[in-house]
Amino acid sequence: DAGVIQSPRHEVTEMGQEVTLRCKPISGHNSLFWYRQTMMRGLELLIYFNNNVPIDDSGMPEDRFSAKMPNASFSTLKIQPSEPRDSAVYFCASYPGGRGAEAFFGQGTRLTVV
Amino acid sequence: QQQVKQSPQSLIVQKGGISIINCAYENTAFDYFPWYQQFPGKGPALLIAIRPDVSEKKEGRFTISFNKSAKQFSLHIMDSQPGDSATYFCAASAMNRDDKIIFGKGTRLHILP
Repeated sequence: DAGVIQSPRHEVTEMGQEVTLRCKPISGHNSLFWYRQTMMRGLELLIYFNNNVPIDDSGMPEDRFSAKMPNASFSTLKIQPSEPRDSAVYFCASYPGGRGAEAFFGQGTRLTVV
Repeated sequence: QQQVKQSPQSLIVQKGGISIINCAYENTAFDYFPWYQQFPGKGPALLIAIRPDVSEKKEGRFTISFNKSAKQFSLHIMDSQPGDSATYFCAASAMNRDDKIIFGKGTRLHILP
């Protein structure tokens, strides 16, 4: 397995534009997490899915953020409209669940909103 | 109650010294406590983990100490090396609780050569 695949690796966009981040989790894993990492706030959980269903989206900062998981092999995180304060590294993590399970992170998407 | 509190936020240690990072939790349902290591430009990756039925786990220079009554656990890096410079995250999870893993905010560790 190639691990968790995120795209794009880097994204630079202008304020007000729509941004879509993509994630392909590891096959067979039950859960998928989206995180945002900044120097100030560390690693923040935005939303997580279990069996493609959003379980907890309390970390999504505003209505400008939305996430979908239409099937077990694909998820998107969309920001519309984007703002400079959204600049961060966004990680997707794939998790098989169960006691002692390991979460596998993608390489992240570095988003810069200018 | 779902939080995992991690300290310090950043840490500087001389080469050869001991690096210590601490975490505390409140939810007694947590039954698995991993530590993740993140190098610049990479995602976090599992480093070492412990279950609450033991008080200590050692893997090479890395040791987790676990205090169940205090609901605290810590990572000790012995003989710290410049290559250990990274961000470290503690985490906690509970089986049969929506399969969610909770991470601390992270500690940026820098080992001076």
